[in-house]
Amino acid sequence: AQTVTQSQPEMSVQEAETVTLSCTYDTSESDYYLFWYKQPPSRQMILVIRQEAYKQQNATENRFSVNFQKAAKSFSLKISDSQLGDAAMYFCAYKPRGAQKLVFGQGTRLTINP
Amino acid sequence: NAGVTQTPKFQVLKTGQSMTLQCAQDMNHEYMSWYRQDPGMGLRLIHYSVGAGITDQGEVPNGYNVSRSTTEDFPLRLLSAAPSQTSVYFCASSYIGGGEKLFFGSGTQLSVL
Repeated sequence: AQTVTQSQPEMSVQEAETVTLSCTYDTSESDYYLFWYKQPPSRQMILVIRQEAYKQQNATENRFSVNFQKAAKSFSLKISDSQLGDAAMYFCAYKPRGAQKLVFGQGTRLTINP
Repeated sequence: NAGVTQTPKFQVLKTGQSMTLQCAQDMNHEYMSWYRQDPGMGLRLIHYSVGAGITDQGEVPNGYNVSRSTTEDFPLRLLSAAPSQTSVYFCASSYIGGGEKLFFGSGTQLSVL
């Protein structure tokens, strides 16, 4: 079975600092997609970043970047220059190519300290 | 463009009552799905559909029914609510293909007493 594990239930960081959220996954597939979603207190699910497994280059979106280690099945999210608005639950998710189902991790609650 | 619209936003039921959570999207997405979110467990897939007339079970389908009569609508029915179904429910949709973005509704907070 495909599983996604986020081993950090909670993380905190000082404003303007950098924080890294961890995610590991288990799959026998070679072609798939990985995602990070942000869920602020409003409850809305917001796509932060997406990585295609066959692309070696790590995806970046402004202050958000990932460290994708395919062999280790690791997909961490780095948030640089943390801002108060980054406070949220963050979910890592996996989807094999050709399938529609997204498998989510348990989530990491990120707190930003002013 | 409304995106994915879920109603209601909040609902309280008594054990044994039935209800339908509504979901509609206006993006002509083939794929629609329902997730439930519980603390410490992330989002788990309940049911999904890849087109009108086609539905399939996800990870936690027991106690829920779905149907897809149109491309736009994908209602989730609770036939006899149980306290274990207290959760936040999300509807999500996307185009079918590779790594298309999943669009989420704003969620329904359901409490079963």
